[in-house]
Amino acid sequence: DAGVIQSPRHEVTEMGQEVTLRCKPISGHNSLFWYRQTMMRGLELLIYFNNNVPIDDSGMPEDRFSAKMPNASFSTLKIQPSEPRDSAVYFCASSPPTGLNSPLHFGNGTRLTVT
Amino acid sequence: GNSVTQMEGPVTLSEEAFLTINCTYTATGYPSLFWYVQYPGEGLQLLLKATKADDKGSNKGFEATYRKETTSFHLEKGSVQVSDSAVYFCALDNTGGFKTIFGAGTRLFVKA
Repeated sequence: DAGVIQSPRHEVTEMGQEVTLRCKPISGHNSLFWYRQTMMRGLELLIYFNNNVPIDDSGMPEDRFSAKMPNASFSTLKIQPSEPRDSAVYFCASSPPTGLNSPLHFGNGTRLTVT
Repeated sequence: GNSVTQMEGPVTLSEEAFLTINCTYTATGYPSLFWYVQYPGEGLQLLLKATKADDKGSNKGFEATYRKETTSFHLEKGSVQVSDSAVYFCALDNTGGFKTIFGAGTRLFVKA
């Protein structure tokens, strides 16, 4: 079990640039979640997919944020244009189709710094 | 709405001390309850869970009991180690796996 794989681990970019974060969920998992973690706001759910379909994107902060899941093994979170307040650690998580009581499996996150 | 409240940290203990991290929740229905742990530079990982009232979840010497009457799920360990230093998150889910609600996290420091 390779776990949830995120890339890059660290991203430093300048304000106004486009940032793309990538996630490969665990094989066989059909739910995928994007979270953002900051000291001030803790862990926030941005969006989640079920069977590659976005189910709830109410946590996406602004139109600058977008997420896609073109297939069961890949998802992206894009920020365009990026701003300094987007600096945070972004986590991807997946869970299996057993539904109730299934825990989340997190990747190691992408630390984003926008200067 | 659903919510999780856990004690503020940081909590600093000496090795072999007893640990309690309090967690209370508000939820409709009968949620499943979880404790996750986050080590430095890593994502959260499941520590233990309980799915119904009076269930006790346990793992790696940690325990928590689902108390419906007090809506609590306190985390305990009888003797902590330096390697237990991490951030601990209490969480609930009553959506069948679609929306886990996390507490703010409690940072634990264990001194040798």
